[in-house]
Amino acid sequence: RKEVEQDPGPFNVPEGATVAFNCTYSNSASQSFFWYRQDCRKEPKLLMSVYSSGNEDGRFTAQLNRASQYISLLIRDSKLSDSATYLCVASPGAGGFKTIFGAGTRLFVKA
Amino acid sequence: GAVVSQHPSRVICKSGTSVKIECRSLDFQATTMFWYRQFPKKSLMLMATSNEGSKATYEQGVEKDKFLINHASLTLSTLTVTSAHPEDSSFYICSARFATTGNKVDTQYFGPGTRLTVL
Repeated sequence: RKEVEQDPGPFNVPEGATVAFNCTYSNSASQSFFWYRQDCRKEPKLLMSVYSSGNEDGRFTAQLNRASQYISLLIRDSKLSDSATYLCVASPGAGGFKTIFGAGTRLFVKA
Repeated sequence: GAVVSQHPSRVICKSGTSVKIECRSLDFQATTMFWYRQFPKKSLMLMATSNEGSKATYEQGVEKDKFLINHASLTLSTLTVTSAHPEDSSFYICSARFATTGNKVDTQYFGPGTRLTVL
């Protein structure tokens, strides 16, 4: 079993749609979670951290469910510019910092 | 966010040559940097963890004698691909750990990557 698993997609959605990605992690010791965005042939960029209480940044909402060991990303009112690969990340946190990346979920937003 | 630079952005070399890639944290000190490799349409694969002033920790299956890592200062780590071969052609990305204080969690910031093509 992979340490961090994501549905590779692709997700094809029209502009304005709401799309949700889930990600599961196997290491219960993981403490820190993130979503990164990676555009084609570019480096990953931090999209947002994920906290137990959930967090929202504009059209993006991230949530963490420790009991079930999954995190989610919700994108509302999708834009063409949201087309990218979204990487789920789990980390044991400070001190044992070995970040594990999911393989990514590809999103295509179409006009 | 924090800024990480990587140089060169692209390199084409002949088989058997060595290639050095630099990773710099521009506006913060990074005690830990990471080197990843990414093949087309594949996920990021951690190659090694580079700690300033000490030997790098390599992931299983990564040859430490082939991928030499030096982290001589708090802002610079280098990866040297020795005797490169076509199968080493890939996108190499470094990241630097940005260690925050208080309740904020550590995050990684990535360099723009180096696309290596070995002929």
